[in-house]
Amino acid sequence: SQTIHQWPATLVQPVGSPLSLECTVEGTSNPNLYWYRQAAGRGLQLLFYSIGIGQISSEVPQNLSASRPQDRQFILSSKKLLLSDSGFYLCAWKGDDYGYTFGSGTRLTVV
Amino acid sequence: AQKITQTQPGMFVQEKEAVTLDCTYDTSDQSYGLFWYKQPSSGEMIFLIYQGSYDEQNATEGRYSLNFQKARKSANLVISASQLGDSAMYFCAMRVTDSWGKLQFGAGTQVVVTP
Repeated sequence: SQTIHQWPATLVQPVGSPLSLECTVEGTSNPNLYWYRQAAGRGLQLLFYSIGIGQISSEVPQNLSASRPQDRQFILSSKKLLLSDSGFYLCAWKGDDYGYTFGSGTRLTVV
Repeated sequence: AQKITQTQPGMFVQEKEAVTLDCTYDTSDQSYGLFWYKQPSSGEMIFLIYQGSYDEQNATEGRYSLNFQKARKSANLVISASQLGDSAMYFCAMRVTDSWGKLQFGAGTQVVVTP
C-alpha cells in the first residue's frame, strides 16, 4: 500500500537558521509530489510541485526552495528562516486515480 | 487562473442536523475535479468526496454529498446527521486536469457541532 512519511512533526527554529523538511513516499513510483504551507486558520498554499527527479516548479517566490534527489523523496529547505516562514507544512502526492494523499504535516515555529 | 471561494469562515450546527458548506470556483477549463477535505485539529487532511466536471450524478459518500451545479460553478458539501466528530475545518479544492495535477484550496470553513 502507498504511504507518505513526513518529519519532523514539530519544529522550533530561530530566525536566520536553516531548514530541512523531508517527505518520502512508499509503494509507488514516479509520483507527483507537492509541498503546501498553511498559515494559522487559513487555507493551504501550494509552494512547490514536482513531476520527477530534479523537476521542481515553484508557485510563489519566497525564502524557500525544494529538491527531489530521489524519485520518492521531496525536500523543503531554507538557508535562513524568517518569522513569516512559520506555519504548517504539508507534503502530498497524487495517486494514479484522482486521489491525493497528504503527510501528517510539520508545524514550524520560527522564533 | 483558477480560484476557489469559501465564503463561510465558521458555522455552528447542532448534532444530528444537516449542514451545507458553500464552495464556488472559477476556471476556464472544461476538465477539472472538485474535492472536499476535512482537517481536524490534529492537522491531517482527510479526503471526503470527489466530483469530476463531467460527472452527471452528484457524488455521495456515506453522510457526505456534493451538490454540484456546473452552470453556477458551485460545489457545495452537505453533511447529513452531524456528529460531534464532524467538528473540524473543511476545505474545498479544485484540480485542473493537466500533467501537474496541482490542487488549489479555498480558505476553509470551520464547523463546530454542538450537542
